[in-house]
Amino acid sequence: NAGVMQNPRHLVRRRGQEARLRCSPMKGHSHVYWYRQLPEEGLKFMVYLQKENIIDESGMPKERFSAEFPKEGPSILRIQQVVRGDSAAYFCASSPGPQGRTDTQYFGPGTRLTVL
Amino acid sequence: EDQVTQSPEALRLQEGESSSLNCSYTVSGLRGLFWYRQDPGKGPEFLFTLYSAGEEKEKERLKATLTKKESFLHITAPKPEDSATYLCAVQVTNFGNEKLTFGTGTRLTIIP
Repeated sequence: NAGVMQNPRHLVRRRGQEARLRCSPMKGHSHVYWYRQLPEEGLKFMVYLQKENIIDESGMPKERFSAEFPKEGPSILRIQQVVRGDSAAYFCASSPGPQGRTDTQYFGPGTRLTVL
Repeated sequence: EDQVTQSPEALRLQEGESSSLNCSYTVSGLRGLFWYRQDPGKGPEFLFTLYSAGEEKEKERLKATLTKKESFLHITAPKPEDSATYLCAVQVTNFGNEKLTFGTGTRLTIIP
């Protein structure tokens, strides 16, 4: 049973470049979440998506960040014109959707973005 | 605003020395409290979900408990392989709001 897959695992970008992070959810999961973990800080929610829909983007920075989860293919988190402060570990999680009282999120291995 | 506070930030134990990690929370209404384990350079690994005060769950040397204000992760006779950062997270009651709010974690080191 393949878990949540993320690629690349490590990504180096220079200031001003674009970063694209990919996430393939677990088989049978239709809900995807993105979190960011800054050094010495906790995981922070960014965005929640279902196929072709953004459900909650309350944690996304207003500029330069976007996310999508198309009908076919992985979810993409896109960061335009990266700055040094974007350096962090970005984690994707997936879930099957609310079942009963709650809905467990399973995390991928993360993409570690370094901005030079 | 929903808040999760974990203590201590770091804990060093001798192998076999039992202890507890604390997660205190302030939320508008709790739907679920989650415990995850995170190893260096890896993603969080799901451990437990607790829903209501008085609930307990166990897995090997770990036991999680929940009250109306906090949760404890008890570790009994730990082994070096239990060394990791343990994360607590909450999910609130309004459906559609699926995000997890995390604490900053407790870094646990078990010394052989």
